[in-house]
Amino acid sequence: SQQGEEDPQALSIQEGENATMNCSYKTSINNLQWYRQNSGRGLVHLILIRSNEREKHSGRLRVTLDTSKKSSSLLITASRAADTASYFCATAPLGGKLIFGQGTELSVKP
Amino acid sequence: GAVVSQHPSRVICKSGTSVKIECRSLDFQATTMFWYRQFPKKSLMLMATSNEGSKATYEQGVEKDKFLINHASLTLSTLTVTSAHPEDSSFYICSARVGGRGEKLFFGSGTQLSVL
Repeated sequence: SQQGEEDPQALSIQEGENATMNCSYKTSINNLQWYRQNSGRGLVHLILIRSNEREKHSGRLRVTLDTSKKSSSLLITASRAADTASYFCATAPLGGKLIFGQGTELSVKP
Repeated sequence: GAVVSQHPSRVICKSGTSVKIECRSLDFQATTMFWYRQFPKKSLMLMATSNEGSKATYEQGVEKDKFLINHASLTLSTLTVTSAHPEDSSFYICSARVGGRGEKLFFGSGTQLSVL
């Protein structure tokens, strides 16, 4: 069964707006990670948040983690057309391998 | 950050031929590399874990005789799709881990395989 499930599956916004993506998971985790994938390319690691952290920032990215609800969110502020990509959450269950969610396809229109 | 180089980026082959994909860690040693398969607009499906100097560990449902993995050195893992068929057409991505289990991964740029 899928460990990480993301919503929405697709998101279309205007440049300058904020984009929020959510990820839910099922088992206890060591950490949760967010990756970005441009079309036809490999994934790029964005941010890692550990199970004992609640919020983390990196530039225009803000990630929250709620272990009681087994959920995380990725917020991209002041989006740009270059942010257009697919975004995946990945969870590391205790002692297990990294498992990727289904992804959110973000389209930022100029 | 660590750099993972994957070649070729795109390959077209005839049905029945074998295709080799290389994954190299350029500025670090990777004792563990991972091979994924991705269908259009879908998530990554882990195929196998490649361990330097030992046999790869395949995920359930992945044919090890079909997808041969070799990790002969600390910087190179290869995936060979043997006797390729059109249903093997997909995007294949490798990654390497820096750090312990569950830590972040660095990905190659992927290989688009098209089998005619």
